Amino acid sequence: GIQVEQSPPDLILQEGANSTLRCNFSDSVNNLQWFHQNPWGQLINLFYIPSGTKQNGRLSATTVATERYSLLYISSSQTTDSGVYFCAVRFSGGYNKLIFGAGTRLAVHP
Amino acid sequence: GAGVSQSPSNKVTEKGKDVELRCDPISGHTALYWYRQRLGQGLEFLIYFQGNSAPDKSGLPSDRFSAERTGESVSTLTIQRTQQEDSAVYLCASSFIDSPLHFGNGTRLTVT
Repeated sequence: GIQVEQSPPDLILQEGANSTLRCNFSDSVNNLQWFHQNPWGQLINLFYIPSGTKQNGRLSATTVATERYSLLYISSSQTTDSGVYFCAVRFSGGYNKLIFGAGTRLAVHP
Repeated sequence: GAGVSQSPSNKVTEKGKDVELRCDPISGHTALYWYRQRLGQGLEFLIYFQGNSAPDKSGLPSDRFSAERTGESVSTLTIQRTQQEDSAVYLCASSFIDSPLHFGNGTRLTVT
């Protein structure tokens, strides 16, 4: 069946470190988004990236649609980066809903 | 409006009571979604609206759950005869077609 898998499930970093989060999906997609859910529960849009590469400050993302994965890069991490990072996809073929992965829980320590 | 607005932000209700949760989407967004997030879990799709029709209701967990939308505006999610397992954060999102989803801050529902 259609699946969205994220890795690692948990990640602990020292402030200043870099990290890579991965999202694998089981079929072709026409929408892929990365979200950050902060400790207060707010879901913040990071990237809309069904294909290609985008950068926004210390964050960047790459989606290789033909190989069915996306990567989120966090450089020079800060304590405010802590929270849960979700990948969500809309599969091609008439689906409307965005399906979420289980998330990567990130804790950045000073 | 600036973003997706949900009300109330918190709701505590007794088991067996009905509740209504409201979502005001971003102006002009034709698509509207409801999701549920239990504590420590990911987001679970409930229902999708295109305009005021709901072509995908596949995520509604039981017939106690229903939703409606007025035109391309406000949506209401109703839960009848609430149970303790309904306790969760209910999140609403809106978008243009084939565009990124924007989420509200959610309604935290606690059933005692």
